[in-house]
Amino acid sequence: QVQLVQSGPEVKKPGASVKVSCKASGYTFTTYGISWVRQAPGQGLEWVGWTSPYNDNTNYAREFQARVTMTTDTSTSTAYMELRSLRSDDTAIYFCAREGSYYEDGGYYYSFDYWGQGTLVTVSS
Amino acid sequence: QSVLTQPPSASGTPGQRVIISCSGSSSNIEISSVNWYQHLPGTAPKLLIYTNDRRPSGVPDRFSGSKSGTSASLAISGLQSEDEADYYCTAWDHSLNGWLFGGGTKLTVL
Repeated sequence: QVQLVQSGPEVKKPGASVKVSCKASGYTFTTYGISWVRQAPGQGLEWVGWTSPYNDNTNYAREFQARVTMTTDTSTSTAYMELRSLRSDDTAIYFCAREGSYYEDGGYYYSFDYWGQGTLVTVSS
Repeated sequence: QSVLTQPPSASGTPGQRVIISCSGSSSNIEISSVNWYQHLPGTAPKLLIYTNDRRPSGVPDRFSGSKSGTSASLAISGLQSEDEADYYCTAWDHSLNGWLFGGGTKLTVL
């Protein structure tokens, strides 16, 4: 069965960096993209960005472009998200999600079909 | 900035039918398919509806989705206490070149 298992909680000081991992199993890692989504306390879900394990392409949400790097390691089927210059408002649960897709009627359709359990990142001085 | 607008809350009694709306624009919902997720606090979100109206295997047919123009809706019929959760719509935004989430709707089963 498909599983995405994320690394444990992190506590960081403002200005520091954090790197969260997401280990995939139960499917061919290079066949699906991985997106990262976060949820700040009391807030909704927010898309952070996407990376392709197939060719290392990335696409980041504009508000994170200057501070985020997403990578993958195909030898271990693991995706990583590094967020730099952390601020208190980066305190959130960060989820990885597999981007499933299918082709129909001339177009591709995408959704986040499997999710990791989430990693709490706390930024506090 | 493009946004997807959902009502912050919705409620119903067991057995009732509830509809949650998601309003977007010409750069997202009108030209993209809509997905819906169910999220219980402390757990991973779950894909509920994909491509506007399709249910993944295992999702009860009490859940249905629809889309018209720049808006989409999630309907839950035969409401059950276990349906109490947060629900989010998402769509690709072609102006932002990224995924947008709605603000989320907290469903309470009275």
